[in-house]
Amino acid sequence: DQQVKQNSPSLSVQEGRISILNCDYTNSMFDYFLWYKKYPAEGPTFLISISSIKDKNEDGRFTVFLNKSAKHLSLHIVPSQPGDSAVYFCAALPGDQGGSEKLVFGKGMKLTVNP
Amino acid sequence: IAGITQAPTSQILAAGRRMTLRCTQDMRHNAMYWYRQDLGLGLRLIHYSNTAGTTGKGEVPDGYSVSRANTDDFPLTLASAVPSQTSVYFCASSPGTSSGPQHFGDGTRLSIL
Repeated sequence: DQQVKQNSPSLSVQEGRISILNCDYTNSMFDYFLWYKKYPAEGPTFLISISSIKDKNEDGRFTVFLNKSAKHLSLHIVPSQPGDSAVYFCAALPGDQGGSEKLVFGKGMKLTVNP
Repeated sequence: IAGITQAPTSQILAAGRRMTLRCTQDMRHNAMYWYRQDLGLGLRLIHYSNTAGTTGKGEVPDGYSVSRANTDDFPLTLASAVPSQTSVYFCASSPGTSSGPQHFGDGTRLSIL
């Protein structure tokens, strides 16, 4: 059973508008969450993260919100740009794992930003 | 440019053959990882290594083996490839001990016929 769920496989938005990507998780032991962005034929690249002790983290146009009680996080991109078109993966990390970080990924969501 | 290098970029392989996917990083990261990406399933961890000389099993380790003889290299071996191992394979590394996000290579696209 998927512990990290991205229930919408795709999203299409107009340039300049807000993109909201959602992610739900089931494991209450997850205490760190990350978003990765992936272009075709490239590896995922780290975008933004949030610790479970926070409910919001912002980096430029990207903001991640965490609702621990609902086991839900979302990535907001404002304003959206055509270059943001990519597949976005939500990932979660359980607590102390002795030096490694065994990320658990969602299935990914394809974002298309139309000019 | 510092980062992770994976080879080959792509490969078509007959079922039953042995194959080693190569991964090298020059960031002196302690931890390294192998993932496979399948359509509709996201990325799943195959094996990982906390530090040189140690390895561990991830979510989908069956049919794969790894070794970590030094800090920089983390090869993934398919001893006898099967069609269900057709996938895109990504190698990643991180400083370890929650000190930074994972960095990924550009992947190896492997087709088993």
